[in-house]
Amino acid sequence: DAGITQSPRHKVTETGTPVTLRCHQTENHRYMYWYRQDPGHGLRLIHYSYGVKDTDKGEVSDGYSVSRSKTEDFLLTLESATSSQTSVYFCAISEPARGNTGELFFGEGSRLTVL
Amino acid sequence: AQRVTQPEKLLSVFKGAPVELKCNYSYSGSPELFWYVQYSRQRLQLLLRHISRESIKGFTADLNKGETSFHLKKPFAQEEDSAMYYCALHSGAGSYQLTFGKGTKLSVIP
Repeated sequence: DAGITQSPRHKVTETGTPVTLRCHQTENHRYMYWYRQDPGHGLRLIHYSYGVKDTDKGEVSDGYSVSRSKTEDFLLTLESATSSQTSVYFCAISEPARGNTGELFFGEGSRLTVL
Repeated sequence: AQRVTQPEKLLSVFKGAPVELKCNYSYSGSPELFWYVQYSRQRLQLLLRHISRESIKGFTADLNKGETSFHLKKPFAQEEDSAMYYCALHSGAGSYQLTFGKGTKLSVIP
C-alpha cells in the first residue's frame, strides 16, 4: 500500500462546528484528492490538489475548503458542519511517475457523523 | 459532461456462477476506464484498467466504444469476490478528475 494515512478515522461532531480532516502521504505524490462516499451516490470528488498551494474544486465542493501547504499534507475543512456532510471521506493520491492518471491509491477513510 | 452508470446496486450470484457487473459511460473523447473494488473493512483499491488488458483475480473487462460499456466479468464467482465494485472514468490528459459510478455490491452466495 502507498503510504497514505487519514486522521481522525472516526469523528462525531455537532451541527455548526468546524471540522478538519487530515490526509498525510509519505510517497511524495504530486496529486491528492478528497472524495466523499455515500450510499446511492458512490464516490464524489470534493477538492483536489496538483501541487503545493495548487488546489481546485470538484463536483461537490460547496461547504468545504482545502489547503496544501506542503507536499505530504492535504487538509479538508468543513467550516460549519451540517448533517448533510455526514459521510465517509476518502483521501487519494496519484503516482507521480505516471503523471496525471486515473490510477489512485486510497486512504482508509474517515467516518464523520454530524449530529 | 462525463458520466458513469452502474445500473445494478446489488448483484447476488451463487458460488461458481458467472458474474457480469455492468458499466456504461458517457464521454465524447477517448476515456480511460477502471474498475475499483472495496472489500469489507478495506480501502478502495484498483482492480483493473482497460489499457493494460489484463486479468486480475480472474476478472476481465473489455472496453466497447461502440456501446460505451466496460463490463466486468468473471466466469466462476468465488465467495471472496463479495465486495463493492466501482467503475470509474478518467478523461485523459488535462483532467484531474476521476468520475465514479454509484457502485454495485456483489454478494456471492455459498
